[in-house]
Amino acid sequence: AQSVTQLDSHVSVSEGTPVLLRCNYSSSYSPSLFWYVQHPNKGLQLLLKYTSAATLVKGINGFEAEFKKSETSFHLTKPSAHMSDAAEYFCVVRLERGGNQFYFGTGTSLTVIP
Amino acid sequence: GAGVSQTPSNKVTEKGKYVELRCDPISGHTALYWYRQSLGQGPEFLIYFQGTGAADDSGLPNDRFFAVRPEGSVSTLKIQRTERGDSAVYLCASSPDRVNEQFFGPGTRLTVL
Repeated sequence: AQSVTQLDSHVSVSEGTPVLLRCNYSSSYSPSLFWYVQHPNKGLQLLLKYTSAATLVKGINGFEAEFKKSETSFHLTKPSAHMSDAAEYFCVVRLERGGNQFYFGTGTSLTVIP
Repeated sequence: GAGVSQTPSNKVTEKGKYVELRCDPISGHTALYWYRQSLGQGPEFLIYFQGTGAADDSGLPNDRFFAVRPEGSVSTLKIQRTERGDSAVYLCASSPDRVNEQFFGPGTRLTVL
C-alpha cells in the first residue's frame, strides 16, 4: 500500500508567484511528516517537519506546510517562488510501526520560470 | 560540524562483482539508515541501525545485500554478485535518535556494467 503520494511529478511556476506542492499520506497511526529538497548533485536537505505539535509548520527559505488530518494531506507552499527554489521535492512519512521506516514519495520537480 | 560522508562518490563495477559502500554518520548520531534511489524515483528504504544492531532490515531486496555497523558509528553496505538492476544512488542518513529528522550524505552512485 502506498504510504505517501505526491500528486504532481512536475510543477512549473513563474518567479514571484506562489508555489503549491501536494502530498497525501495514508496511515492508521499519527504520522510524522517531512519535506526534503534535493538540488542537482546535492544531498537531501530538510525543509520542515511535522511531529504532532502545531499543524502549520514553518520551514527554511520561506516554505511552510499544513497538516490536515481530515484530508490526510501535508501540502508544501511558498508565497513567492525564487529561481533558487528550482529542485526536486520529496514528501516523507514516518509511520509508527514496529520498525522505523521512512517512506518517500516519488518526488515533485519544481521549475521556476524567470 | 561535519555532515554525513559517503565513499566512494562513484563506483563502477562489472556484473557479478562484490562492492562495499561506506557511510560515516554525524558524530554521536545513534540511528543510521541506508536508502537506494533509482533514476526518477524517491529514495527507497533498505535498512535501519540503532547503535550496532540492525533494528529493521526489511527493506533489503534480497540476500545479496548486507550491511554492518560493528562499532555503532561507520556503516558498510555490501552487495554480492552485483546485477545491472543494482545500479542506483545509495544514500546514507543519520539521526540523533529514531524520531527526529535524518541528515543525508551526498550518496554513492553505483553503476553495474
